[in-house]
Amino acid sequence: EDQVTQSPEALRLQEGESSSLNCSYTVSGLRGLFWYRQDPGKGPEFLFTLYSAGEEKEKERLKATLTKKESFLHITAPKPEDSATYLCAVQDSGGYQKVTFGIGTKLQVIP
Amino acid sequence: GAGVSQSPRYKVAKRGQDVALRCDPISGHVSLFWYQQALGQGPEFLTYFQNEAQLDKSGLPSDRFFAERPEGSVSTLKIQRTQQEDSAVYLCASSLGSPDTIYFGEGSWLTVV
Repeated sequence: EDQVTQSPEALRLQEGESSSLNCSYTVSGLRGLFWYRQDPGKGPEFLFTLYSAGEEKEKERLKATLTKKESFLHITAPKPEDSATYLCAVQDSGGYQKVTFGIGTKLQVIP
Repeated sequence: GAGVSQSPRYKVAKRGQDVALRCDPISGHVSLFWYQQALGQGPEFLTYFQNEAQLDKSGLPSDRFFAERPEGSVSTLKIQRTQQEDSAVYLCASSLGSPDTIYFGEGSWLTVV
């Protein structure tokens, strides 16, 4: 069974203080690893898809990287508007389109 | 439409009542998913449709849960004889079929009292 473990569960940063969120995963074969952002009361908002180890993607202050066992979401010089829960998810190459999510990392950026 | 639309946004049901949650996916999207999200948790997979075919319903928690997509567009998730443990946000998502473009709706918040 696919598993996704995210750490830390919560993270508090000062504005401008860079950090990384971790996503460890177990799948029989990886079709894709996804990062989403979720604001309170909203549905998840798609950020990135990574397909193979060594791949990196960037968007504004966010950069996602992938190894064979984990992914990192690096946040550079965060701003208060980056405060949200960041969800990691994986899709197994053996199944249909089922995507398995972690519980997320709740990020708070303090001005 | 511009995005995935879900209704109602909020529903309070009395225990034992039946509820129906509607999802209007992005026009042309072949794949449609339902997820359940409890407070403080990540979304949990319920079921998946490709057009009108329900290809995976392994996540439906009991036979009280039923989903349909009869014409390959709008989908309805029905919960019969609701229980308190059914209280959660029900998220619908759709995609063209590729794994990297799954778009979520805002969710339907169900509270069973």
